[in-house]
Amino acid sequence: DAKTTQPPSMDCAEGRAANLPCNHSTISGNEYVYWYRQIHSQGPQYIIHGLKNNETNEMASLIITEDRKSSTLILPHATLRDTAVYYCIVNSGGSNYKLTFGKGTLLTVNP
Amino acid sequence: EAEVAQSPRYKITEKSQAVAFWCDPISGHATLYWYRQILGQGPELLVQFQDESVVDDSQLPKDRFSAERLKGVDSTLKIQPAELGDSAMYLCASSFPGGHTEAFFGQGTRLTVV
Repeated sequence: DAKTTQPPSMDCAEGRAANLPCNHSTISGNEYVYWYRQIHSQGPQYIIHGLKNNETNEMASLIITEDRKSSTLILPHATLRDTAVYYCIVNSGGSNYKLTFGKGTLLTVNP
Repeated sequence: EAEVAQSPRYKITEKSQAVAFWCDPISGHATLYWYRQILGQGPELLVQFQDESVVDDSQLPKDRFSAERLKGVDSTLKIQPAELGDSAMYLCASSFPGGHTEAFFGQGTRLTVV
């Protein structure tokens, strides 16, 4: 699976959009981009995933660049409860489906 | 909402003792994962099951760790003997097999070896 690079930390004001970047320049054609987050002392929680089209669900939006070498997770209106470590993961799925976590980005939402 | 159940939530054990963790995945989830998370790092996959079969245990320290999922439902992870460096959060997750699907994680077991 391709390696991902994320900033170690970011800050965001409550109510504003949080934009979390991820670089995955070695991604291959059959690999998806997944985002999970982990609130302190809890297990990771799935947010969203996509292949090449932008995706949106009730939690977030995922924007993948046309060359698929990077992506951005957008939390449109961040709340204090969105403070967490956010992990960007690239995975090819199928029988090799397994999640390889990096260190992620600690997003701190400030009042 | 269905959840992955893990027990115990916290465990303190002395080094060289045996310790076991239990996980009950979401009903119908054939794939089960055990992860270890050291403070400040992301979770690291220890073992992955498909039903009762191990499909990946390449990162499992087999001299002291063992995992089983005898009936393809719940699972047990054991450490014997425990070492100080085993202090970590042990997370269980489950998912439907194959494809591109989300994994659901339990709350984890926080192990402290003293």
